[in-house]
Amino acid sequence: QQQVKQSPQSLIVQKGGISIINCAYENTAFDYFPWYQQFPGKGPALLIAIRPDVSEKKEGRFTISFNKSAKQFSLHIMDSQPGDSATYFCAASSNDYKLSFGAGTTVTVRA
Amino acid sequence: DADVTQTPRNRITKTGKRIMLECSQTKGHDRMYWYRQDPGLGLRLIYYSFDVKDINKGEISDGYSVSRQAQAKFSLSLESAIPNQTALYFCATSDPSLDRGRNQETQYFGPGTRLLVL
Repeated sequence: QQQVKQSPQSLIVQKGGISIINCAYENTAFDYFPWYQQFPGKGPALLIAIRPDVSEKKEGRFTISFNKSAKQFSLHIMDSQPGDSATYFCAASSNDYKLSFGAGTTVTVRA
Repeated sequence: DADVTQTPRNRITKTGKRIMLECSQTKGHDRMYWYRQDPGLGLRLIYYSFDVKDINKGEISDGYSVSRQAQAKFSLSLESAIPNQTALYFCATSDPSLDRGRNQETQYFGPGTRLLVL
């Protein structure tokens, strides 16, 4: 049973639009929440990560919003570009460094 | 990431065969991981190793075994392959001490091995 639930399974957004992917967890021991980006034929690569001491982290067009009380976090991709088309995985870990991944969201950005 | 290589990249085998997937890294990281990726399930941890003498089971280790031959090499074996082990397999490495200043723990993934068990 997955410890991190991710939605939606896929989404299509127009170029310049906002992509939003949501994740939820139950294990309160989780203290590290990364997002990985995977292009077809490649391994996942770390995109951005957050720890629960902050509610938001922004890197360029990518923002993580974190709600500790709700045990939810989300990835926002602003001004989505065709090059952002990929599969995105949320994940979580505690101090044992073992990542529990969500099921993944395939994002398609239409030009 | 070219620093983490996996061989073979694609493999077709038959039910009951023993096969080995290999992972090598030039990053000098102590920690290595094996995951499998299935559509709709994301990545699931099979085994992980925090140094050459340390081997730990992940969430789905049944039917798999591993060997950490050196700091740079971590192999995954399927003792008797079955069709539901058809999946995409990834090796990853990490060194948390490198990320401490950035308050994150980066895992670096190889390009994957696509395995089909007939």
